[in-house]
Amino acid sequence: EDKVVQSPLSLVVHEGDTVTLNCSYEVTNFRSLLWYKQEKKAPTFLFMLTSSGIEKKSGRLSSILDKKELFSILNITATQTGDSAVYLCAVVFNAGNNRKLIWGLGTSLAVNP
Amino acid sequence: NAGVTQTPKFRILKIGQSMTLQCAQDMNHNYMYWYRQDPGMGLKLIYYSVGAGITDKGEVPNGYNVSRSTTEDFPLRLELAAPSQTSVYFCASRGESGNTIYFGEGSWLTVV
Repeated sequence: EDKVVQSPLSLVVHEGDTVTLNCSYEVTNFRSLLWYKQEKKAPTFLFMLTSSGIEKKSGRLSSILDKKELFSILNITATQTGDSAVYLCAVVFNAGNNRKLIWGLGTSLAVNP
Repeated sequence: NAGVTQTPKFRILKIGQSMTLQCAQDMNHNYMYWYRQDPGMGLKLIYYSVGAGITDKGEVPNGYNVSRSTTEDFPLRLELAAPSQTSVYFCASRGESGNTIYFGEGSWLTVV
């Protein structure tokens, strides 16, 4: 069965801490893995990963994909209260003639001052 | 560039009423999706479409209907609203060759 599993489900840290969020997947015909940040409204796009070992970076956020071990991590360094959100992972894969997506349940991050 | 536009943003329905959530995208995307997200839960796929005239059920289609008469529009219809349909609804789209999903701002629906 195709699935995406995120861990931990929730996390509470203090400002300045570094956090690592995990996303593992089991799909056939993998195409890409996506990270989104969701605050109070719609998810906003962070990264798209298609190749193993190539780090994507945006400010204090970075992400990397391991296609051999079938997981990705999202790192946030020097966390701030504004990083408090749910972080969602999705995997895009080919299924027959269509392309499908599966979402993880998300990791809820709370950054305390 | 408007992206994905959803209306209404907020709506309260009485049990048994019907309504349509509108979704439009101006990016000429073939793939469109409707998700619902309950408090503390992940996104659940209601219906999706791979192009005009083609729709298919997702994980939780019961109580909903969709149509895709044009590439731009993908309305979601709720017939006989039930309290279990109280949720936040997100419409999303993706291009044929792209992998990034673009979301609308969400529609908060309460059924009382």
